[in-house]
Amino acid sequence: GAVVSQHPSWVICKSGTSVKIECRSLDFQATTMFWYRQFPKQSLMLMATSNEGSKATYEQGVEKDKFLINHASLTLSTLTVTSAHPEDSSFYICSARSDSYVHEQYFGPGTRLTVT
Amino acid sequence: GQNIDQPTEMTATEGAIVQINCTYQTSGFNGLFWYQQHAGEAPTFLSYNVLDGLEEKGRFSSFLSRSKGYSYLLLKELQMKDSASYLCAVMDSNYQLIWGAGTKLIIKP
Repeated sequence: GAVVSQHPSWVICKSGTSVKIECRSLDFQATTMFWYRQFPKQSLMLMATSNEGSKATYEQGVEKDKFLINHASLTLSTLTVTSAHPEDSSFYICSARSDSYVHEQYFGPGTRLTVT
Repeated sequence: GQNIDQPTEMTATEGAIVQINCTYQTSGFNGLFWYQQHAGEAPTFLSYNVLDGLEEKGRFSSFLSRSKGYSYLLLKELQMKDSASYLCAVMDSNYQLIWGAGTKLIIKP
């Protein structure tokens, strides 16, 4: 199957700083990318959907000014957690799909964020 | 609203068979997915059903009944490495995945 990478795989940052997470589709053009957050022992929560070249669509309750998403190319989307707080500590997972195959969604390995 | 229900936790014995059920109510239907997720890792794709019936893939099988809004994932010859969470997800009319809360499967020797 297709490969999606995330970087970094884990990060520790201090409260009040910003952290950028990259999501790359390595062998296909990802017209749509999804960002999820997962707290311990809970299921995936969709944060936002981004389409290449346009603004991301955020789910209800997700602050777009805090979680900045950029999908500038067909192979790269970034999520920036601004002014991070300890409650933002979570497992962040991206997934990507091509509009040619909307039923196939490929997940990155996830990024573990810890805010101290 | 949209809703997907699956049991929170199940326990089974190594070598046995287990069936994880999933019921759903969504706005539109473009297929049902099962994913496996080990702790601390991203989900990995197991199966996709869009037509009624049983899809078999090795030790794993998935069944769908669209009229009943029901699916199950059947795992045979259970191995310890099958201990994981199993996520049921439905693709709605907007081609968005709606996720269940996941079923934690515990395999005992």
